[in-house]
Amino acid sequence: DQQVKQNSPSLSVQEGRISILNCDYTNSMFDYFLWYKKYPAEGPTFLISISSIKDKNEDGRFTVFLNKSAKHLSLHIVPSQPGDSAVYFCAASGQDDYKLSFGAGTTVTVRA
Amino acid sequence: ETGVTQTPRHLVMGMTNKKSLKCEQHLGHNAMYWYKQSAKKPLELMFVYNFKEQTENNSVPSRFSPECPNSSHLFLHLHTLQPEDSALYLCASSQDLVVSGSRQYFGPGTRLTVT
Repeated sequence: DQQVKQNSPSLSVQEGRISILNCDYTNSMFDYFLWYKKYPAEGPTFLISISSIKDKNEDGRFTVFLNKSAKHLSLHIVPSQPGDSAVYFCAASGQDDYKLSFGAGTTVTVRA
Repeated sequence: ETGVTQTPRHLVMGMTNKKSLKCEQHLGHNAMYWYKQSAKKPLELMFVYNFKEQTENNSVPSRFSPECPNSSHLFLHLHTLQPEDSALYLCASSQDLVVSGSRQYFGPGTRLTVT
């Protein structure tokens, strides 16, 4: 049973515009959420995270929003750059649990 | 060399072969993980080691056998695999098994093809 879902397998956006990636989860015990970015032939690298006590976390061009009531989080990238073209994974962990549950990923392509 | 390294990067093996995947982390971490990523599917946790002790076996078939001789090295021994085992195998490490917020650092993965 997949507890973290990324329903959009791909996203194409023009350089300079905003990229919005969405993630939904089903487990109400999740309280920490992360986004990882993966380039081809490389492993996923940590991008940004958010705790359930917050509804927004910002780091430069990247902002993650959390809506606990909707069990939904999103990643905003603005402005999008060609180097942002990658696969983005949403992940979550629960209280008293070190394990991460991952989504299937969203492939972002930034067009010049 | 820094970070998490994995060898080999690509592996093709027959169903009767025996091979091993190697992972090494240079981050001074105490926890190491094996994940499997099949095409268009989420990463699946296979095994977790903390201070060389296995803490998690996520119902993985016995044809996958992990080994953790020390906190820096992790192996995945493979034997009599099936074609459906073809996937990207990722190794990761983290400082500890921190609840709610364990940031994991991943290696580049081994692309395994079983023929």
